[in-house]
Amino acid sequence: DTGVSQDPRHKITKRGQNVTFRCDPISEHNRLYWYRQTLGQGPEFLTYFQNEAQLEKSRLLSDRFSAERPKGSFSTLEIQRTEQGDSAMYLCASSLGVSGRRSTGELFFGEGSRLTVL
Amino acid sequence: QQPVQSPQAVILREGEDAVINCSSSKALYSVHWYRQKHGEAPVFLMILLKGGEQKGHEKISASFNEKKQQSSLYLTASQLSYSGTYFCGTDSVGAQKLVFGQGTRLTINP
Repeated sequence: DTGVSQDPRHKITKRGQNVTFRCDPISEHNRLYWYRQTLGQGPEFLTYFQNEAQLEKSRLLSDRFSAERPKGSFSTLEIQRTEQGDSAMYLCASSLGVSGRRSTGELFFGEGSRLTVL
Repeated sequence: QQPVQSPQAVILREGEDAVINCSSSKALYSVHWYRQKHGEAPVFLMILLKGGEQKGHEKISASFNEKKQQSSLYLTASQLSYSGTYFCGTDSVGAQKLVFGQGTRLTINP
């Protein structure tokens, strides 16, 4: 399978616990995005990387959220001290972008990691 | 700022046509359209670029009015497989960092 893969697909945790999600993008894609989606809403931008550099982080992303892409390949999204409001689908997407130039490629989404905080 | 989609929901019979609109308050570099079926990832349909270039699905067409920052997606002779939620995603700077609308839920009945 050469698509975007995410792990785990489902995570149930108790409030206050830490959780980590992993995303493996399409291998030749240098851009990686994290989105959050709640029921009945569109995906909400969280952060994105070009190679290993985190280029932008949404103001919606509190200090409890951190994302990394250490070698420019896979990425992790960690949520510390989870709250019930963090319950959502966390989507990862990747694309092929050109550094310093405007890019027009599509985003390829993974199937998401569904988080339920009890 | 999030683009606004209309209508929020559409119910059609197979073979009928539909138009979904997307409006932004910001100047846009490109507009993307995606379809998401329940429990699945969003799937790319179309990109419309400033300047008129389009890339995407052969059986789905769309328009992009750069002056009004509006895009419309045209679904003709709808098939059952077209059912799902359609999202427009807007890009203001050419970084593919998309801001998505709230979605339009399309139901196609036989």
